[in-house]
Amino acid sequence: GESVGLHLPTLSVQEGDNSIINCAYSNSASDYFIWYKQESGKGPQFIIDIRSNMDKRQGQRVTVLLNKTVKHLSLQIAATQPGDSAVYFCADLDSGGSYIPTFGRGTSLIVHP
Amino acid sequence: DAGVTQSPTHLIKTRGQHVTLRCSPISGHKSVSWYQQVLGQGPQFIFQYYEKEERGRGNFPDRFSARQFPNYSSELNVNALLLGDSALYLCASSRTDYSNQPQHFGDGTRLSIL
Repeated sequence: GESVGLHLPTLSVQEGDNSIINCAYSNSASDYFIWYKQESGKGPQFIIDIRSNMDKRQGQRVTVLLNKTVKHLSLQIAATQPGDSAVYFCADLDSGGSYIPTFGRGTSLIVHP
Repeated sequence: DAGVTQSPTHLIKTRGQHVTLRCSPISGHKSVSWYQQVLGQGPQFIFQYYEKEERGRGNFPDRFSARQFPNYSSELNVNALLLGDSALYLCASSRTDYSNQPQHFGDGTRLSIL
């Protein structure tokens, strides 16, 4: 299948700053995208999703932006807190194709108090 | 409501043995998927089951097999274990097999092969 990659393996921020985690995907047929947060010793936790008919979606303190032209999405976390420290994964799916979501390696977010 | 539960949480096996991992989905979820996550990597898709039928299979050898029971719980079996099978095995559930909805993950089974 196609690969999903992340631009930065590690992102360090100060508490209270805004964080931006980027993700590139290569499957032009992908039309559904999900962000997951994985804390140490835990399974991935769903954060937010977005479908290809949207370019922006907001949740609580998080915003996902989708740019289909360049096959790029980002996760913005406002007022980053120490509890946000984790590895963040994006995954993409082609809802009209086989159900095999593709995950990238992940970005490790480190929040300094 | 309880989330996805997996058992056991940790397991140590030796090469050549077989292992069975278990998963109970969120109540009302009928689809279960299995993933392998090697340290430092994202989850890799192994299988998806819906209504007891296999709906998807990733690029894993035939040593890996799974099944889903009438109560929607699932087992992942791995035979002839290799050192490279050491990983975190994740189970995820969703309401249906539609691919445009998020899966919800359990905390995984940490499998170590000696």
